[in-house]
This record gives sequence, structure tokens and C-alpha cells, in this order.
Amino acid sequence: DTGVSQDPRHKITKRGQNVTFRCDPISEHNRLYWYRQTLGQGPEFLTYFQNEAQLEKSRLLSDRFSAERPKGSFSTLEIQRTEQGDSAMYLCASSRTSGNNEQFFGPGTRLTVL
Amino acid sequence: QKEVEQDPGPLSVPEGAIVSLNCTYSNSAFQYFMWYRQYSRKGPELLMYTYSSGNKEDGRFTAQVDKSSKYISLFIRDSQPSDSATYLCAPSGGSYIPTFGRGTSLIVHP
Repeated sequence: DTGVSQDPRHKITKRGQNVTFRCDPISEHNRLYWYRQTLGQGPEFLTYFQNEAQLEKSRLLSDRFSAERPKGSFSTLEIQRTEQGDSAMYLCASSRTSGNNEQFFGPGTRLTVL
Repeated sequence: QKEVEQDPGPLSVPEGAIVSLNCTYSNSAFQYFMWYRQYSRKGPELLMYTYSSGNKEDGRFTAQVDKSSKYISLFIRDSQPSDSATYLCAPSGGSYIPTFGRGTSLIVHP
């Protein structure tokens, strides 16, 4: 069990550029979640997948955001035409469907939009 | 009003003190109650999980839920400097997707 990994750990981009983040969940976990966290706030839910199916999306997820999990393993989160307000930590978590659905979080990708 | 409210702190205590961290929520549908600990520049990690009202103890940590008053508490006994972190309460309903509070920053000084 190597834990949840995220890549890159840090990303600095200019406003208007597109960015893509990757998350590799714990291998036997079939649920994968994306959250956004800004300074001084708790994580805010964005979307989650069960296997390759995207089952729920938050109203926070504007049309500029898209997430995929093509083979039910790793996932990508893309932000198009980034805005300064997109600057945040993007966290990925994974869990099993059984039990208490304990979510294991990755270290996050810190995005800075200049 | 946010669904989950937490005092952001910081709460500063001496080593060995008993710490009480609290959280209130407004959604009656919440039935699973979690506490996460988050160290600086790290992802949150699950500390305690409770279903419905009652107490749950795990080592130095005790989680308490009072659904009638929508009040959640986490107690830390014999606090250590390594407990210095942000503590996030995170209740959830049937979807199991937690709604996080903003977290309380705890500082335990030697």
C-alpha cells in the first residue's frame, strides 16, 4: 500500500492557461474523490468516481473543470482558462465502497495562478 | 450560515493538557461523523469515525456526538507537541461524502 499519490505537487501558471493534475489512488480502492482547499478553509467536495463512472459533481465545479477516470484507476482533473480564483490546493482521496468509506487523502497539488 | 461551523483558533495549550475541540452542524441528515487531522502542507488523515450519537474512544482521543443538539466534540488527553495540527470535523449523510468544517488550529507547546 503506497498511499494516494498526486502529481505535480506544485503548479504555477498564468491566467488563461490550462492545467491538468493527476491522482493515483490506492490500488484496491474503487472510489476516487477530488476536493479543493483554500487557505484557512476545510476541503470542499468537487466530484467523485466509482470505478470509471463519475457519480456526483458539486455545483462548485464550473464548466471550466473536467475530471476523468478512464480505466477506473488513475484520475485527471483539468482546469481550462485558469483564473486567479482557482488558486488553491487540489486534494484527491480514495476509498473502498465497503465499511465506513474511510477516505485516504493524497498530499495535494498546490496551484498558483498569476 | 455554513453547514458545519468550527472555531478556527488557534488554540494554544501546554503539553499534557486536555484539549476540547468542537463543531456544530445544521443538516439533520448527517449520521456519520469524522474527525480528520491535517498537518501543514499535507493531506488530511482520518483520526476518528463515529456513527450516530454517542462516544468513541481510541487511545488518547475521544469523539463525542450529540445529534439532538447537532454538536460534535473531540477530546485529546495528555496532549503532545506532535498533536499540533489542524483538526477538521467532517459529518456526512448517506452519500458518505463528508462536509468539512474550516478546521481548528491546535498548538501544543512543550
